Amino acid sequence: NAGVTQTPKFQVLKTGQSMTLQCAQDMNHNSMYWYRQDPGMGLRLIYYSASEGTTDKGEVPNGYNVSRLNKREFSLRLESAAPSQTSVYFCASSESVQGEAFFGQGTRLTVV
Amino acid sequence: QKEVEQNSGPLSVPEGAIASLNCTYSDRVSQSFFWYRQYSGKSPELIMSIYSNGDKEDGRFTAQLNKASQYVSLLIRDSQPSDSATYLCAVRGYSSASKIIFGSGTRLSIRP
Repeated sequence: NAGVTQTPKFQVLKTGQSMTLQCAQDMNHNSMYWYRQDPGMGLRLIYYSASEGTTDKGEVPNGYNVSRLNKREFSLRLESAAPSQTSVYFCASSESVQGEAFFGQGTRLTVV
Repeated sequence: QKEVEQNSGPLSVPEGAIASLNCTYSDRVSQSFFWYRQYSGKSPELIMSIYSNGDKEDGRFTAQLNKASQYVSLLIRDSQPSDSATYLCAVRGYSSASKIIFGSGTRLSIRP
């Protein structure tokens, strides 16, 4: 039972490079989320997808795009990475519009 | 005003004592409330969820919700060194029910 799986676990990018963070869940959950976590800042919501085919902006969407590829997969893309996007990125999913979110193991991204 | 606010701490509590963690939220019609624990370098894990006014107990943990005051708290009884972690409060709204917003977290340290 894998739960929420993120790839890669670690990544170093140069300023201006692009990359896509992958997330997949095997719990048949409807909703999926991308958060970033910086020291002392808690988790800040970047984008979320309430259900397959929908995506919405969260608290800090600038510089990111997302794709809900199907019910299982939700990817986060950085088109032109900036040092300010150095962070730990967490993907999460939840079954319903009331339930809790379950988290992946995180991706530690460094932009130099 | 942040949607979900917590004292960042650190909160230092002697072993065996009660640790009290607090959280306030701004969306008056929020529906679901969660407490997560996060160890350094790890993903957040759910401790408690609460949906109705009052207290909810699970082992050494008690969550308290007061919707009129827009306040949710977590009490940890008989605190153990293994409880040392960052505790994150999360709130799911009503108008955008799929969105889950986190506070910045409170760092708890249990001293032997």
